[in-house]
Amino acid sequence: AQSVTQLDSQVPVFEEAPVELRCNYSSSVSVYLFWYVQYPNQGLQLLLKYLSGSTLVKGINGFEAEFNKSQTSFHLRKPSVHISDTAEYFCAVSEGLTGGGNKLTFGTGTQLKVEL
Amino acid sequence: EPEVTQTPSHQVTQMGQEVILRCVPISNHLYFYWYRQILGQKVEFLVSFYNNEISEKSEIFDDQFSVERPDGSNFTLKIRSTKLEDSAMYFCASSQVVAAWSSYNEQFFGPGTRLTVL
Repeated sequence: AQSVTQLDSQVPVFEEAPVELRCNYSSSVSVYLFWYVQYPNQGLQLLLKYLSGSTLVKGINGFEAEFNKSQTSFHLRKPSVHISDTAEYFCAVSEGLTGGGNKLTFGTGTQLKVEL
Repeated sequence: EPEVTQTPSHQVTQMGQEVILRCVPISNHLYFYWYRQILGQKVEFLVSFYNNEISEKSEIFDDQFSVERPDGSNFTLKIRSTKLEDSAMYFCASSQVVAAWSSYNEQFFGPGTRLTVL
């Protein structure tokens, strides 16, 4: 069974500072990894995904994440945050099974709060 | 840009009542999903649906829950007799089957229906 751990429930950071949101996963098979963002009272928006290939993936809004297979991690980073980045961020994993329809398993989320 | 839509945005019901949450997936998508998020908790998978049948369901998805694709566009989640603990945000998602050999299909999420059980 797959699982995702987001150790930081809240991360406060000042505007224009760098940020890293941590995500670790476990699975017995190959996985696909995702970061979703949820703004207040809104649905889930895909930030970025790792399917295969380069371990450094770039997403929307200046975010990037690095897949580290040996450490089973997929940490999200942004070099300079903006006040509008304040949101809940969810890491998710999907097992790489053929045929599609792969359920997503989410972490508990990290609340990023950007302060002036 | 095509998107997943959900109605209603907020549903209030009394304990023991039946509710139906509705979703319109993206038109050329063939996999459909329901997830829920209890306030302050993580998003949890409920069920996936393909070719008019459930392809996978979680432990949460017990006999009180059912899903249906009543026509060519809607995908519904029914809770037969709601309990207080069913209060949550319910998200519908859909994905396109790119190819039979493909093991990845991006899921697109709707904005959610907030269900409040009193």
